[in-house]
Amino acid sequence: AQKVTQAQTEISVVEKEDVTLDCVYETRDTTYYLFWYKQPPSGELVFLIRRNSFDEQNEISGRYSWNFQKSTSSFNFTITASQVVDSAVYFCALSERDSSYKLIFGSGTRLLVRP
Amino acid sequence: GAGVSQSPRYKVAKRGQDVALRCDPISGHVSLFWYQQALGQGPEFLTYFQNEAQLDKSGLPSDRFFAERPEGSVSTLKIQRTQQEDSAVYLCASSLGDIDQPQHFGDGTRLSIL
Repeated sequence: AQKVTQAQTEISVVEKEDVTLDCVYETRDTTYYLFWYKQPPSGELVFLIRRNSFDEQNEISGRYSWNFQKSTSSFNFTITASQVVDSAVYFCALSERDSSYKLIFGSGTRLLVRP
Repeated sequence: GAGVSQSPRYKVAKRGQDVALRCDPISGHVSLFWYQQALGQGPEFLTYFQNEAQLDKSGLPSDRFFAERPEGSVSTLKIQRTQQEDSAVYLCASSLGDIDQPQHFGDGTRLSIL
């Protein structure tokens, strides 16, 4: 069965520290997509990135980077030089070709960046 | 507006009442999804539309939950005879339709059942 696990419930760092959010997934499908969303206190889910199952190339966007490893079924997210505005709940999600495109979310990691 | 719009933003109802939640997707988005998010949890899938067709309703928790999208645009999620366990944030998302297209979410409707 498909599943997304975010083992870190809450992380607290001091501004400018680097932080990595872990995501492990389970799927039987060979074609799938992985996503990261940010949910600030306002509540709206903000799309950050998607990766498909055939592209293991890591990606960097500004202070954000993502490490996708099929061998360990992981899709980890690193924020470099964290800022207070990064404080939010971050969700990892899985979408499978054979499951009507619905997103299967992890339980989220709450990140608190202290000044 | 450019984003997904949901109304009302907050809804308080007494147990047993019926409620209706509205979602206005991004113009041109053929796919529309409803999710339920309990406090401190990730969103959970409820149902999925492609245009006006409801292709997957496997996540609806009971027959008290009903969703429609009659003209392939605006969607309504209706909950009949509400129960306290229905209290949650209901999120609507839309996308262009392919699996690789990201879903864009609205701000949600926070439903409280007293």
